Amino acid sequence: GQSLEQPSEVTAVEGAIVQINCTYQTSGFYGLSWYQQHDGGAPTFLSYNALDGLEETGRFSSFLSRSDSYGYLLLQELQMKDSASYFCAQGAGSYQLTFGKGTKLSVIP
Amino acid sequence: NAGVTQTPKFRVLKTGQSMTLLCAQDMNHEYMYWYRQDPGMGLRLIHYSVGEGTTAKGEVPDGYNVSRLKKQNFLLGLESAAPSQTSVYFCASSYSSGSLYGYTFGSGTRLTVV
Repeated sequence: GQSLEQPSEVTAVEGAIVQINCTYQTSGFYGLSWYQQHDGGAPTFLSYNALDGLEETGRFSSFLSRSDSYGYLLLQELQMKDSASYFCAQGAGSYQLTFGKGTKLSVIP
Repeated sequence: NAGVTQTPKFRVLKTGQSMTLLCAQDMNHEYMYWYRQDPGMGLRLIHYSVGEGTTAKGEVPDGYNVSRLKKQNFLLGLESAAPSQTSVYFCASSYSSGSLYGYTFGSGTRLTVV
């Protein structure tokens, strides 16, 4: 099956910029998505990249390089409320998403 | 805006008992999914449905059954619960088959099998 690799934990300072990387397998690739999940909460959709390049949504940006099977989520002007787990997810066939194991981001003062 | 509603939110089962988890969405989405989330494992797809009356197996379907009799509802059944099924279960729905608009998740059901 599909597998995605992302760091398990990242710590960053409030107000700083942090990048969360994700590598994926190329077979059956339908695009790379990012989700945010606070402790005890549900995952919420952040962004989707089907083509190479950068997608920007406010403080969050997501990048994809299909030739490198690589993407990242960039969070700017970090706030304490950004402390959460972030999952990259690969379209695995037309109807399915396969999720990475998640990166726990801790924002410290 | 209710979105995706899961019931119950918490449940404790004894080994061998059965139960059904209910997922309801009010967004007229065609596609619905059941995932389980375990510590350090991310979200794994159990079963999914691409429309009313259809179901298909995901990555970890063993020990589970599903039904989609109505477009808005997707039921997940455990016929004989096992401790290995202790997990947080999330239902999700999506507008399209692709990932462009993202999945909308319910708030989850925390299931403990003792």
